[in-house]
Amino acid sequence: QVQLVESGGGVVQPGRSLRLSCAASGFTFSSMHWVRQAPGKGLEWVAVIWYDGTNKYYADSVKGRFTISRENSKNTLYLQMNSLRAEDTAVYYCARDNNYGAYDYWGQGTLVTVSS
Amino acid sequence: QSALTQPASVSGSPGQSITISCTGTSSDVGAYNYVSWYQQHPGKAPKLMIYDVSNRPSGVSNRFSGSKSGNTASLTISGLQAEDEADYYCSSYTSGSHFWVFGGGTELTVL
Repeated sequence: QVQLVESGGGVVQPGRSLRLSCAASGFTFSSMHWVRQAPGKGLEWVAVIWYDGTNKYYADSVKGRFTISRENSKNTLYLQMNSLRAEDTAVYYCARDNNYGAYDYWGQGTLVTVSS
Repeated sequence: QSALTQPASVSGSPGQSITISCTGTSSDVGAYNYVSWYQQHPGKAPKLMIYDVSNRPSGVSNRFSGSKSGNTASLTISGLQAEDEADYYCSSYTSGSHFWVFGGGTELTVL
């Protein structure tokens, strides 16, 4: 059964850090993305990591603050978020790339709230 | 401001067809066939409906179809059903610094 399960969300103060995890099972662990959605807003691409971890790319809004990584032996994707801002408040989804630049499997999402 | 432009809302009656547009630039929609469409019901994760401009994943109804002309991609839903009521987002790979971009989303109402 195909499954992506995010964890690690919660309430954090501005300027602090948080690490999200995404555990994958039931399919080949390929290139992976993080996508976020602020409350009541649309989808925003955050970052991508190649299947072998050799390439990583970030949206301008998170570049220099967020780091995407993966541990293929554990089929787990991570998003280290530093220097968090109020505007980072969102549901964060991990999603698999289907090799055509599309996200064919999504997790259920984990809510990150940045507030003092 | 989203990189791709979609209408905020569209509506149609059951059985009718509707089309949602997604306008980008020569750096994204116009340059690549990596255009995809997602359906999102309230409180749920998005679901892939179309990839590579016009391909349907296994299990997606053939009532959903995609196309592209120049810098504009389109999603057409034929034979509208009540369960099609949802938000729809387009996405494209881009040669700009964002790498992947989404449209602002379109709310579909089935009257």
